[in-house]
Amino acid sequence: AQSVSQHNHHVILSEAASLELGCNYSYGGTVNLFWYVQYPGQHLQLLLKYFSGDPLVKGIKGFEAEFIKSKFSFNLRKPSVQWSDTAEYFCAVTRFGNEKLTFGTGTRLTIIP
Amino acid sequence: DADVTQTPRNRITKTGKRIMLECSQTKGHDRMYWYRQDPGLGLRLIYYSFDVKDINKGEISDGYSVSRQAQAKFSLSLESAIPNQTALYFCATSDAQGAFPDTQYFGPGTRLTVL
Repeated sequence: AQSVSQHNHHVILSEAASLELGCNYSYGGTVNLFWYVQYPGQHLQLLLKYFSGDPLVKGIKGFEAEFIKSKFSFNLRKPSVQWSDTAEYFCAVTRFGNEKLTFGTGTRLTIIP
Repeated sequence: DADVTQTPRNRITKTGKRIMLECSQTKGHDRMYWYRQDPGLGLRLIYYSFDVKDINKGEISDGYSVSRQAQAKFSLSLESAIPNQTALYFCATSDAQGAFPDTQYFGPGTRLTVL
């Protein structure tokens, strides 16, 4: 069965620190990959997505993610976090011909001013 | 973002009651989805719909039913609510990119508590 793993459940960083959140998926075929963010009390918003092409994708608010097919990974990065990045981050995967968007369990990011 | 709206935003109900959650979208998308979010479990798909006449079960459809009244409206019903259906419910829409669903756009969520 298709699954998505986010091993970091809660990450605490100081402002200006660098961020990397891990995401691994289990499906070996063609996939689309997403990172969504949920700010406190708000709905999920798309940060970035990978469908094809350059495996390094850039999203909003200075986030980027790198698709490494050989490692089944799609890690999210940001070189310098801000207090406003405090949120929950979800990695999600969908695969060719399958309507299901499978989410990871989420990583809660807390930024200390 | 008011493209996807959900009503009510919060609801407290009792075990055994019938509850309907409503979702409307102005994005013109054909595909609509219902998810529930539970702490530590991420989002799980309940039902999805490709169009008014096409309804499909997701991974956790037991205890739920849906109705696609129009392209823009997709409602979720709990026929007889039970406490373990207490969760945050999200509606989402997406366009299609060939055989791949495209980005999903989420509503603000409905927080449901079943006592």
